[in-house]
Amino acid sequence: DADVTQTPRNRITKTGKRIMLECSQTKGHDRMYWYRQDPGLGLRLIYYSFDVKDINKGEISDGYSVSRQAQAKFSLSLESAIPNQTALYFCATSDPTGTGYNEQFFGPGTRLTVL
Amino acid sequence: AQTVTQSQPEMSVQEAETVTLSCTYDTSESDYYLFWYKQPPSRQMILVIRQEAYKQQNATENRFSVNFQKAAKSFSLKISDSQLGDAAMYFCAYIGRDFNKFYFGSGTKLNVKP
Repeated sequence: DADVTQTPRNRITKTGKRIMLECSQTKGHDRMYWYRQDPGLGLRLIYYSFDVKDINKGEISDGYSVSRQAQAKFSLSLESAIPNQTALYFCATSDPTGTGYNEQFFGPGTRLTVL
Repeated sequence: AQTVTQSQPEMSVQEAETVTLSCTYDTSESDYYLFWYKQPPSRQMILVIRQEAYKQQNATENRFSVNFQKAAKSFSLKISDSQLGDAAMYFCAYIGRDFNKFYFGSGTKLNVKP
């Protein structure tokens, strides 16, 4: 079974709709991240959380919100989706106390299309 | 904020040949970590190789190696004996010693020709 899972894998929605992307992990990591990938821009950080009570904005948090329901679950919401939020979204986890590198472990990604 | 630059949007290599992907970064920190991730068409992000800034020795993982030039803030990835399965997007990434946030480059698409 995958260590970091994302649901849904693909989603098409309409402008103005509320949508939630979910991330679950079985790695036992405290740190979780949401990224957005756009062609030519790489991955940009939306929000990150170092534990259940710690939520931080990344570089592109406008239009997004998050919820850390448990150590293993971190959800990303688009309150009112707009077309320029069409992108590939990744959840990631890390553990700086593990290998010492704090490398990111990524989920499979969610392809979101806003019409 | 730190920045990571990949100046080659796309590159091509012949199967079995060697190719080098470039990455430069900007930081005022002296201790940090650098990574190369591979993203095949399946879109899964896969860690290829990593380097600690305080280690002078360049990291190597099988056919993948890096050329880390700390003074020049350069971190290039060399792929030897290129294989069709190496075709993918490659992202360079940086994280500081505080381990707070990753910074990614814009990516290089590698094509491998049979």
